[in-house]
Amino acid sequence: GDSVTQMEGPVTLSEEAFLTINCTYTATGYPSLFWYVQYPGEGLQLLLKATKADDKGSNKGFEATYRKETTSFHLEKGSVQVSDSAVYFCALHPGQAGTALIFGKGTTLSVSS
Amino acid sequence: NAGVTQTPKFRILKIGQSMTLQCTQDMNHNYMYWYRQDPGMGLKLIYYSVGAGITDKGEVPNGYNVSRSTTEDFPLRLELAAPSQTSVYFCASSYLAGEAYEQYFGPGTRLTVT
Repeated sequence: GDSVTQMEGPVTLSEEAFLTINCTYTATGYPSLFWYVQYPGEGLQLLLKATKADDKGSNKGFEATYRKETTSFHLEKGSVQVSDSAVYFCALHPGQAGTALIFGKGTTLSVSS
Repeated sequence: NAGVTQTPKFRILKIGQSMTLQCTQDMNHNYMYWYRQDPGMGLKLIYYSVGAGITDKGEVPNGYNVSRSTTEDFPLRLELAAPSQTSVYFCASSYLAGEAYEQYFGPGTRLTVT
């Protein structure tokens, strides 16, 4: 079945460092891809999305490009801030109406000043 | 718009007790979901619904029940609580935004069974 694999955490960075969180997927159809962020004690918030190959999703300085050839959707940010400390989830939606998201296990990011 | 709301935020249950986790959305979304989140395990789907009166099992439905009598409400019922049900529970709803089905999550219910 469809699945998502993302890099194990935690990831610990200093403020203004470059961030990459790797995400790869397995899917039989043409999924949409998402990154969600979860701040401590809160629910998941949609960070960005991409719906087809070569699409780039971006939001709040974060970017991810849908790479069909490598089945990847890596999250990047050029300069992280302390406020970016959170858990990041990569997810895919298989495309059929009503189908639930399939999540990776999450990557914890900790940014220090 | 309040979005997706869940009550309660926290609950402690004794083994064998029952409770209902409430979930309401005011966005008129047809699709709704219940997930549980365990540390380091991501989110696992418990039940989902594609519309009022229609529900189906997800990956981990054992020990839970749901109903969907209205578009807005999707309660999750635990009949005989067990320690294995200690988790954080998230309700979500989704709709078609352009070319992708986006999901919106509630703030979660943290449940401890002792």
